[in-house]
Amino acid sequence: DAMVIQNPRYQVTQFGKPVTLSCSQTLNHNVMYWYQQKSSQAPKLLFHYYDKDFNNEADTPDNFQSRRPNTSFCFLDIRSPGLGDAAMYLCATSRGQTGGGKLFFGSGTQLSVL
Amino acid sequence: AQTVTQSQPEMSVQEAETVTLSCTYDTSESNYYLFWYKQPPSRQMILVIRQEAYKQQNATENRFSVNFQKAAKSFSLKISDSQLGDTAMYFCAFNGIIQGAQKLVFGQGTRLTINP
Repeated sequence: DAMVIQNPRYQVTQFGKPVTLSCSQTLNHNVMYWYQQKSSQAPKLLFHYYDKDFNNEADTPDNFQSRRPNTSFCFLDIRSPGLGDAAMYLCATSRGQTGGGKLFFGSGTQLSVL
Repeated sequence: AQTVTQSQPEMSVQEAETVTLSCTYDTSESNYYLFWYKQPPSRQMILVIRQEAYKQQNATENRFSVNFQKAAKSFSLKISDSQLGDTAMYFCAFNGIIQGAQKLVFGQGTRLTINP
């Protein structure tokens, strides 16, 4: 089935050690999003790609970066993770203007920082 | 700025009862979409129902229906004949053009528990 796939499901890193989270999609959607969701809170948009155009939210820390080498893959890089970066990271895709606003979510990567 | 507000942090009902979750939003846009997402303990975000703002008719999906009041900027979710599997966190979400880009913004969520 076409879907949004996030790997790994659980990721443990050390304080200050760079970590990369992966997202791939078989939907051929042109928009990909990264959300951060802390326990019992709403998902918070970090940034998104519309095709190759990168859009950063104003309050996303500089510590967070993203890469989209092709339509199918998008990566979230955390350069120096702090304890406050422990969260669920959700990747989502959409068809942009023709998608009717509908986002398709992956199952998330739960990041722990030790 | 577009905001989404869910005023009920937690709700609890008995199985088979009907429950209504509230949501209000603020926007100056005329074209947008509204959603209810369900997030069970697995943390998978599952789309429950979608409403297009230009449609006056309320969306329905089996036991789930919405009451969309555009002028009041209100978008409540009604779950009929609730089931144990409906236990989850429910997020109301707004999708529209925000700062020049189409984005999905979530409310704070309502934790719904269905008791046997």
